[in-house]
Amino acid sequence: GQQVMQIPQYQHVQEGEDFTTYCNSSTTLSNIQWYKQRPGGHPVFLIQLVKSGEVKKQKRLTFQFGEAKKNSSLHITATQTTDVGTYFCAVGTASKLTFGTGTRLQVTL
Amino acid sequence: DGGITQSPKYLFRKEGQNVTLSCEQNLNHDAMYWYRQDPGQGLRLIYYSQIVNDFQKGDIAEGYSVSREKKESFPLTVTSAQKNPTAFYLCASSLYNEQFFGPGTRLTVL
Repeated sequence: GQQVMQIPQYQHVQEGEDFTTYCNSSTTLSNIQWYKQRPGGHPVFLIQLVKSGEVKKQKRLTFQFGEAKKNSSLHITATQTTDVGTYFCAVGTASKLTFGTGTRLQVTL
Repeated sequence: DGGITQSPKYLFRKEGQNVTLSCEQNLNHDAMYWYRQDPGQGLRLIYYSQIVNDFQKGDIAEGYSVSREKKESFPLTVTSAQKNPTAFYLCASSLYNEQFFGPGTRLTVL
């Protein structure tokens, strides 16, 4: 199946700093999804990107799909303690998703 | 309220015993999935079902079995053949692309 590499594995920031996680594939993707999992919780869908070069924003979160549709990024501006959790990208078809290994974000005051 | 329920939240079993994890959804979704998550790891697909009475193996199906007799239900059995069953098990469903997850079951095999 498809594989995606997600970096970094872990990042620790001070509240107010920015954060970015990257998802990379060796093959062209039809779409990419992003999920957030709070500590002890379950993954929650954030967004899906479909178009080449697409950029979508959700408040302080900015999602981008690469021009070649082989990579994607999630950027959080001015992190807050509520942003703590693990962020996963997921690729594949509607019937079967492959999740990245995730980036765990820790935010301290 | 619509959603996915998984029970129990925590489950302990002795080595060598089969155990069945429950997953129920009232979202009227056709597709359902089972994932396994180990500490600090991503989600790995165990089994998935696109329609009642049909299911396919995922990436790590060995030692697991499922059934899909009803649209609302997709139970997962962890058999004694699964070498390392202790993990966090997540059930999900989807209508189109977005997957909705249940709260998960933490299985510990002693």
